[in-house]
Amino acid sequence: AQSVSQHNHHVILSEAASLELGCNYSYGGTVNLFWYVQYPGQHLQLLLKYFSGDPLVKGIKGFEAEFIKSKFSFNLRKPSVQWSDTAEYFCAVNADRNQGGKLIFGQGTELSVKP
Amino acid sequence: GAVVSQHPSRVICKSGTSVKIECRSLDFQATTMFWYRQFPKQSLMLMATSNEGSKATYEQGVEKDKFLINHASLTLSTLTVTSAHPEDSSFYICSARDMTGASPLHFGNGTRLTVT
Repeated sequence: AQSVSQHNHHVILSEAASLELGCNYSYGGTVNLFWYVQYPGQHLQLLLKYFSGDPLVKGIKGFEAEFIKSKFSFNLRKPSVQWSDTAEYFCAVNADRNQGGKLIFGQGTELSVKP
Repeated sequence: GAVVSQHPSRVICKSGTSVKIECRSLDFQATTMFWYRQFPKQSLMLMATSNEGSKATYEQGVEKDKFLINHASLTLSTLTVTSAHPEDSSFYICSARDMTGASPLHFGNGTRLTVT
């Protein structure tokens, strides 16, 4: 069965620190990969996505992610976090092209940025 | 941009009653909508895939008779929690993709259901 694993449950950083959140998936075929963010009290928002092409994907708010097929990974990065990045981050995979949108989510990583 | 509206945002009901949650795509048509459930401090779990004009597809372990899904139009899907019990208390989220299937999913704001 397809699964998505996020390594960190809760990450605490100071402002200006660099961020990397791990995401690994289990599926041997072609996948679409997503990172979503959920700010406190708000709905899920798409940060970035990978469908094909350049494995280094740039998203909104300075976030980027790199798809490494050999490692089944899609880690999220940001060089310098801000207090406003405090949120829950979810990695998701769509491995079923025939059911576009059927996403399998990771457990989520709570990011707390100290001012 | 595309917007998905969910209503109500919060609902409190008594055990044994039924609750209907609506999910609307406001500026695009969605042949497929998805219903997720999110427990506190946990991830989203897909409950079912709602297809316009046909029966919903439920994930393993989800009771279709308890969680009734109706996708009557290209802009509206409803989830009805029937005979709700306290263990059904959760955060329910819908998502939709437009008909081209090219854009990422758009998520509703979610509905917080509390069953007393």
